[in-house]
Amino acid sequence: QQQVKQSPQSLIVQKGGISIINCAYENTAFDYFPWYQQFPGKGPALLIAIRPDVSEKKEGRFTISFNKSAKQFSLHIMDSQPGDSATYFCAASMAGGYQKVTFGTGTKLQVIP
Amino acid sequence: NAGVTQTPKFRVLKTGQSMTLLCAQDMNHEYMYWYRQDPGMGLRLIHYSVGEGTTAKGEVPDGYNVSRLKKQNFLLGLESAAPSQTSVYFCASSYPRENGEQFFGPGTRLTVL
Repeated sequence: QQQVKQSPQSLIVQKGGISIINCAYENTAFDYFPWYQQFPGKGPALLIAIRPDVSEKKEGRFTISFNKSAKQFSLHIMDSQPGDSATYFCAASMAGGYQKVTFGTGTKLQVIP
Repeated sequence: NAGVTQTPKFRVLKTGQSMTLLCAQDMNHEYMYWYRQDPGMGLRLIHYSVGEGTTAKGEVPDGYNVSRLKKQNFLLGLESAAPSQTSVYFCASSYPRENGEQFFGPGTRLTVL
């Protein structure tokens, strides 16, 4: 029950468009849902995160939408730019002890001019 | 601040050879982690440490050993490398609080022939 399912595996969006990446989880004990962004040749870096007591969190062009009853959450990138081209990982973790984070399989986003 | 650094950046091994990957962090983080990243599989936790002198198994620990003799360093060892261990390895660190940000190193690309 630790899995986090992420889709799509890859995504091509035109500049100015909206990129949407979806994730789903099973374990209701998860209580923190971060998104990490990874550029080629670099390590992942935290982009934005949400807790299940809110349905949406927005930071600039990046928005997380969270549906607790459906156990789904998604990342929306508004006005997508070529500089957003990267791999995005959703993740989930639960309280208690060390910070074990379960990552999704990743979405490779390409924003074309 | 260098953040999280990893050495080496690239390495090619023959089956059966051994090697050690070094991770160092200068952020005084208590928690440190080793992940492997494989195409289509996201990031999987190999081993982790919640403090100097402590280590614990993650999701995929077989074939790996770790040591945390100093707070700032976390070593990942492969005693007898196998082709299945061909991967990109990432080290990460974080503060000892729940659901905190993990800071990743730049990765080590390992190929086992």
